[in-house]
Amino acid sequence: DAGVTQSPTHLIKTRGQQVTLRCSPKSGHDTVSWYQQALGQGPQFIFQYYEEEERQRGNFPDRFSGHQFPNYSSELNVNALLLGDSALYLCASSGSDRDNEQFFGPGTRLTVL
Amino acid sequence: AQSVTQLGSHVSVSEGALVLLRCNYSSSVPPYLFWYVQYPNQGLQLLLKYTSAATLVKGINGFEAEFKKSETSFHLTKPSAHMSDAAEYFCAVSGDAGGTSYGKLTFGQGTILTVHP
Repeated sequence: DAGVTQSPTHLIKTRGQQVTLRCSPKSGHDTVSWYQQALGQGPQFIFQYYEEEERQRGNFPDRFSGHQFPNYSSELNVNALLLGDSALYLCASSGSDRDNEQFFGPGTRLTVL
Repeated sequence: AQSVTQLGSHVSVSEGALVLLRCNYSSSVPPYLFWYVQYPNQGLQLLLKYTSAATLVKGINGFEAEFKKSETSFHLTKPSAHMSDAAEYFCAVSGDAGGTSYGKLTFGQGTILTVHP
């Protein structure tokens, strides 16, 4: 079992650009959540996808959008990048039950210059 | 809105000493509570979770935590620190009075644990 995988590992973009990050969930999981972890901070919930729809959303602007595919993998898209978007982006997968553990991937380190 | 407060951004202990990492949460109903560990340049690994069962929860690597509703606390302890325990630890909560937001984790700011030989 490969666990949760994310790509790419690192990414450098400039302000105003757009970025797409990818996540493959752990085998058997159908729910994917995305978190942003700024340097020295705890992760902040961006949104969660289940059955290809956004089920919950945190306090992030519409520049942050996502998608879930029929195979449960997911993408996070960020438009009009700002310097403040520089962070580690974590993907977590889980089953659909409410007390299911979330398994985290290693993250994608995004740097915006 | 839920919130989690971790007291002490940095904790330093000697190898073999007791580890105590503090976490307080705000929630109007008993939530689900978690402790995660993050090693440098890695994702988060679950240490333990409280889901309304026993109030004393045992996790991996000898860690345990006690849920105290009256104190809204969920402190993490380990009787004897090991050098390999050096990492950043995050307390998190999910669930709310409406029965929603399960699966949405709200994290504390994290506590960096340093273990001295």
